[in-house]
Amino acid sequence: AQSVAQPEDQVNVAEGNPLTVKCTYSVSGNPYLFWYVQYPNRGLQFLLKYITGDNLVKGSYGFEAEFNKSQTSFHLKKPSALVSDSALYFCAVRPPYTGGFKTIFGAGTRLFVKA
Amino acid sequence: DSGVTQTPKHLITATGQRVTLRCSPRSGDLSVYWYQQSLDQGLQFLIQYYNGEERAKGNILERFSAQQFPDLHSELNLSSLELGDSALYFCASSVGGTSGSNEQFFGPGTRLTVL
Repeated sequence: AQSVAQPEDQVNVAEGNPLTVKCTYSVSGNPYLFWYVQYPNRGLQFLLKYITGDNLVKGSYGFEAEFNKSQTSFHLKKPSALVSDSALYFCAVRPPYTGGFKTIFGAGTRLFVKA
Repeated sequence: DSGVTQTPKHLITATGQRVTLRCSPRSGDLSVYWYQQSLDQGLQFLIQYYNGEERAKGNILERFSAQQFPDLHSELNLSSLELGDSALYFCASSVGGTSGSNEQFFGPGTRLTVL
């Protein structure tokens, strides 16, 4: 079965330190990979995506993600965390087939950045 | 602001009732997606429409139905409501429907409470 795993329910990091939010997936073929962020009482916001090409993808708000095909991972990273980065982060995978686009979301990882 | 609007923001109703949730996509977006977000199930893809036609179906119950109108707005109809249907319902839109690489833009959601 196709799935997305975010192994950490919560990640705690001090402001100014680097952060990593992990994502692994089990999808056949070469899926499209996305990261979204959700702030309290808001809808999800797109951060970045990997379609093809360079394994390091840069996105909004200083975030980047590293695609690793052999490990089927797409970890979200930021060199220096801000308190305002505290939110719920979702990894999403879209299988590469036509006719419909069932996006599979991970369970989400709550990021806490302490001042 | 994503440009996706959803009404109503909150909805409180009783078991057995029927409700309609409305979504207007971003200007120019042809695809509309519906998602259900609950604490125990996470973010679940329900259904996608592209330019008025159903394109993909996810974990949508038979009691639920949706449609996309010629002006591209969409409605999600939930009937014979049960307590377990209480959740946040998100609508999202994207530019295309023939490429899975487009990111989705999410509305603020409708919080449904079934009493």
